[in-house]
Amino acid sequence: DVKVTQSSRYLVKRTGEKVFLECVQDMDHENMFWYRQDPGLGLRLIYFSYDVKMKEKGDIPEGYSVSREKKERFSLILESASTNQTSMYLCAITQGGSWGNQPQHFGDGTRLSIL
Amino acid sequence: GESVGLHLPTLSVQEGDNSIINCAYSNSASDYFIWYKQESGKGPQFIIDIRSNMDKRQGQRVTVLLNKTVKHLSLQIAATQPGDSAVYFCAENTYSGNTPLVFGKGTRLSVIA
Repeated sequence: DVKVTQSSRYLVKRTGEKVFLECVQDMDHENMFWYRQDPGLGLRLIYFSYDVKMKEKGDIPEGYSVSREKKERFSLILESASTNQTSMYLCAITQGGSWGNQPQHFGDGTRLSIL
Repeated sequence: GESVGLHLPTLSVQEGDNSIINCAYSNSASDYFIWYKQESGKGPQFIIDIRSNMDKRQGQRVTVLLNKTVKHLSLQIAATQPGDSAVYFCAENTYSGNTPLVFGKGTRLSVIA
């Protein structure tokens, strides 16, 4: 079974803080994704990565950055957290090189609250 | 169906009955489709997928039907159980492309015991 681990289930931070969300996979998968999920808006793609040190912007990258120094770990960074970044954050991976023809497998999410 | 507002459409089904959850997609070039189940407090879980060269695919207690003519996808759950209560949403993509999946907003399935 594919295992995607997000380091925190719940996180509370203050406005202006720099926030790190971590995602780790236990297999040698190339493609990793960060989404946020909000009521009524569904899943929105923030950033994705198809290899170490490679990254691509998704639909809503503003206010976020990512880091992928090792294949198994993909970090989402909120440079200066704001209240509108309160959300559920989901990490996903796909197995193999091409992601257009296979499902993404998700972690259980990090519910982030910015006060 | 797809949600256009803050509240997800809800389907209430009696335990033991069959459930049908619908999804309309917009991109006529989409040729790969996935259904996910998301329980409260958990991440989305892959259920079943289908490629556009098929119009039906069956899994364990689930069947996905694809109608490309009207761009419609449905998920049928046989003998619905309380553990099936969750939000279900579809995703679409082009099979050969390396573009991210496009997700629907979901339908909440509520199973009445």
